[in-house]
Amino acid sequence: DAGVIQSPRHEVTEMGQEVTLRCKPISGHDYLFWYRQTMMRGLELLIYFNNNVPIDDSGMPEDRFSAKMPNASFSTLKIQPSEPRDSAVYFCASTQGRWGGSYEQYFGPGTRLTVT
Amino acid sequence: ILNVEQSPQSLHVQEGDSTNFTCSFPSSNFYALHWYRWETAKSPEALFVMTLNGDEKKKGRISATLNTKEGYSYLYIKGSQPEDSATYLCAFVRPRDDKIIFGKGTRLHILP
Repeated sequence: DAGVIQSPRHEVTEMGQEVTLRCKPISGHDYLFWYRQTMMRGLELLIYFNNNVPIDDSGMPEDRFSAKMPNASFSTLKIQPSEPRDSAVYFCASTQGRWGGSYEQYFGPGTRLTVT
Repeated sequence: ILNVEQSPQSLHVQEGDSTNFTCSFPSSNFYALHWYRWETAKSPEALFVMTLNGDEKKKGRISATLNTKEGYSYLYIKGSQPEDSATYLCAFVRPRDDKIIFGKGTRLHILP
């Protein structure tokens, strides 16, 4: 398996523009997570899905952020409108089974977002 | 302890020396603790998932122990090598909502 795939790897956009980040989890994994990494706050969980259903989105910073998982092999994280404070590295991760137990999370390479 | 805390924040170790660092977490209601290794410009890579008090896990020169009653886990690296330079993250899985909470990491630098 190619692992968790994210695109784009780098995104530079102007304030106010819409940004869409994409993720393809490992085939067969039931859970998909979106994280944001910043210097100030470290690695934060934004939202996670189980079998394509959002389970916990309490980490999503505000209404400008939305995430979808239309099928088992694809998820998007959208920011509209984007702001400079959204600049961060966004990671997607997946795991099989009940992840809180004995299952490791596999991270994608991340998308480095810069909003100017 | 209300959050996940890691110490030290940063550590410089001579190549060949052994080292260890700590992850502290809430000791009431434990579910699971994860350790990850994160190299610069890469993504976090899972090292261990620990679920039972007294767990001890090993992967090559790296090992980890878990004490859920007192709320800490140690990560040990034996005979440090340059490729061990990375940030080591621990993550606590909160039982009441399954939320995973990451520590800020220990940044390890191996000196040649």
